[in-house]
Amino acid sequence: QQQVKQSPQSLIVQKGGISIINCAYENTAFDYFPWYQQFPGKGPALLIAIRPDVSEKKEGRFTISFNKSAKQFSLHIMDSQPGDSATYFCAAMDSSNTGKLIFGQGTTLQVKP
Amino acid sequence: NAGVMQNPRHLVRRRGQEARLRCSPMKGHSHVYWYRQLPEEGLKFMVYLQKENIIDESGMPKERFSAEFPKEGPSILRIQQVVRGDSAAYFCASSLTGGNTGELFFGEGSRLTVL
Repeated sequence: QQQVKQSPQSLIVQKGGISIINCAYENTAFDYFPWYQQFPGKGPALLIAIRPDVSEKKEGRFTISFNKSAKQFSLHIMDSQPGDSATYFCAAMDSSNTGKLIFGQGTTLQVKP
Repeated sequence: NAGVMQNPRHLVRRRGQEARLRCSPMKGHSHVYWYRQLPEEGLKFMVYLQKENIIDESGMPKERFSAEFPKEGPSILRIQQVVRGDSAAYFCASSLTGGNTGELFFGEGSRLTVL
């Protein structure tokens, strides 16, 4: 019940295309859903986050779509660029106030020039 | 405005030795989290600490692993009698407020290799 399932495991997109990564969860107590971006040899960095009171959040080329009833959320990267090539992790946080993030397995994105 | 600082960045130990990983949170942050990342896997929560207190250690292995966050100085993750399966990247994150109200800021990780 604490799992967050992420797909696909890897993704190749042409420059200018749309990258879509999906995540699903089971625990209805989750109420904070961030996406992290990680470059090789670096730590994860927060990209964008959403709470379940909204269905979509957009920041620049990055959009989170959230479907509370289906317990699914996704990251869309519009106009994907080679510099977006990285590993992306979705995560979820429960409301027990410990700040513990449960991460998905990660998606390695490669954007081809 | 330094971020979360972890050291060492790389550590090599032989089986049976001890590994100590240090984490200095961002200035003003008193909430520290440790995560472990195995190759080709996501990050797994290990422990959550505030100054001088362990708040949640539900992800810590029952034996050989311990963590502390003293009143002064960095947080330390200690692994005794390391085994090859301990080889991983260990990430520390800090938060200003803790709970689910604040962003977690991650360090660049400490990569442990056990020979």
